[in-house]
Amino acid sequence: AQSVTQLDSHVSVSEGTPVLLRCNYSSSYSPSLFWYVQHPNKGLQLLLKYTSAATLVKGINGFEAEFKKSETSFHLTKPSAHMSDAAEYFCVVSDGYGGATNKLIFGTGTLLAVQP
Amino acid sequence: DGGITQSPKYLFRKEGQNVTLSCEQNLNHDAMYWYRQDPGQGLRLIYYSQIVNDFQKGDIAEGYSVSREKKESFPLTVTSAQKNPTAFYLCASFPQDAYGGYTFGSGTRLTVV
Repeated sequence: AQSVTQLDSHVSVSEGTPVLLRCNYSSSYSPSLFWYVQHPNKGLQLLLKYTSAATLVKGINGFEAEFKKSETSFHLTKPSAHMSDAAEYFCVVSDGYGGATNKLIFGTGTLLAVQP
Repeated sequence: DGGITQSPKYLFRKEGQNVTLSCEQNLNHDAMYWYRQDPGQGLRLIYYSQIVNDFQKGDIAEGYSVSREKKESFPLTVTSAQKNPTAFYLCASFPQDAYGGYTFGSGTRLTVV
């Protein structure tokens, strides 16, 4: 069975400093992995996805994530935080190729605070 | 603009009442989903539908019901059998022939009063 663990429930950074949100996954085969962002009282927006192509995935708003099979990790990074990055971030694994018939398993979320 | 519309944004329910949450999409997506979000628990799948007139239970379907009479619409009814309905409900959709991320609506916050 697939599962995903977000290692930090809260992360606080200063504006202009790097962001690191950690995610580990468990999967019996090569997974599809995603990062979503959610601003308060809003729906989720896809930041980026890994579906067995390049291991370094670039997403929107300057975010990127690296798939490391040996470490079963898919950490989200950004070189320089902006105030607008303050939101909750979800790491997600699919139980298949990420198609419509596959189920998404969500992590419990990491709340990112950005201090001025 | 194409997207998913959920209504209402906020909903209050009395004990013992059934309420229906609306989800409409104009993306021509085949698959639609309902998730429940509680603080610190991520999202949990309630029901999903891959095609009109067909739907499947997710992980926490008890106390909920859905219908899929039209491709564009996937309403969720929270029945009185749902013992703890206060939560944020998110609808999502996905095209049948693609791989990747879902499109989410902006959610409905349901509170039992």
